[in-house]
Amino acid sequence: DTAVSQTPKYLVTQMGNDKSIKCEQNLGHDTMYWYKQDSKKFLKIMFSYNNKELIINETVPNRFSPKSPDKAHLNLHINSLELGDSAVYFCASSQDTGGQYFGPGTRLTVT
Amino acid sequence: AQSVTQLGSHVSVSEGALVLLRCNYSSSVPPYLFWYVQYPNQGLQLLLKYTTGATLVKGINGFEAEFKKSETSFHLTKPSAHMSDAAEYFCAVRPLGGFKTIFGAGTRLFVKA
Repeated sequence: DTAVSQTPKYLVTQMGNDKSIKCEQNLGHDTMYWYKQDSKKFLKIMFSYNNKELIINETVPNRFSPKSPDKAHLNLHINSLELGDSAVYFCASSQDTGGQYFGPGTRLTVT
Repeated sequence: AQSVTQLGSHVSVSEGALVLLRCNYSSSVPPYLFWYVQYPNQGLQLLLKYTTGATLVKGINGFEAEFKKSETSFHLTKPSAHMSDAAEYFCAVRPLGGFKTIFGAGTRLFVKA
């Protein structure tokens, strides 16, 4: 059983388009995250939700908007995509003091 | 603000040799500490964590790490490297009672036959 799943795995789109990435976890965790990993492998937190409440909202362009319909799902919507948005986006979840469980990533390429 | 430093962006060892990946953190209060591994084209996988208690922590795949408060370090070791250990390794810290995890820049481990 996949613990944290993301769709799609690959996303190729043109500048100016709007796209969404979906994430689901079946671990029963209360907290979910979105990370961006750049080409140098640097991992940066973007957002985090705890029991559907936004608890971390880093300095991210407001073209990025997270949505958590329930505590098992955290989606990421991106408006007006730019070349610099190209990266791998990871969803993760955790519970209490436990480590995070990561999804397989979504490789976004903006052309 | 908390930060984490991984010494060496690349480490190369021979198969069967000791693996040592270094991690130092800066925090006024010892945080929760983690090591993750990332294989090519995959997500990160938790190797081990330190929250409280015993300072020597054992993880998966034969890895272990020791929390040393006096040195603000949490180095990762494995007695004998396997080819399958070649991957990117990330040290991470999270403050007590907080949710935000700070990741180091990563260390790429190469294992030579």
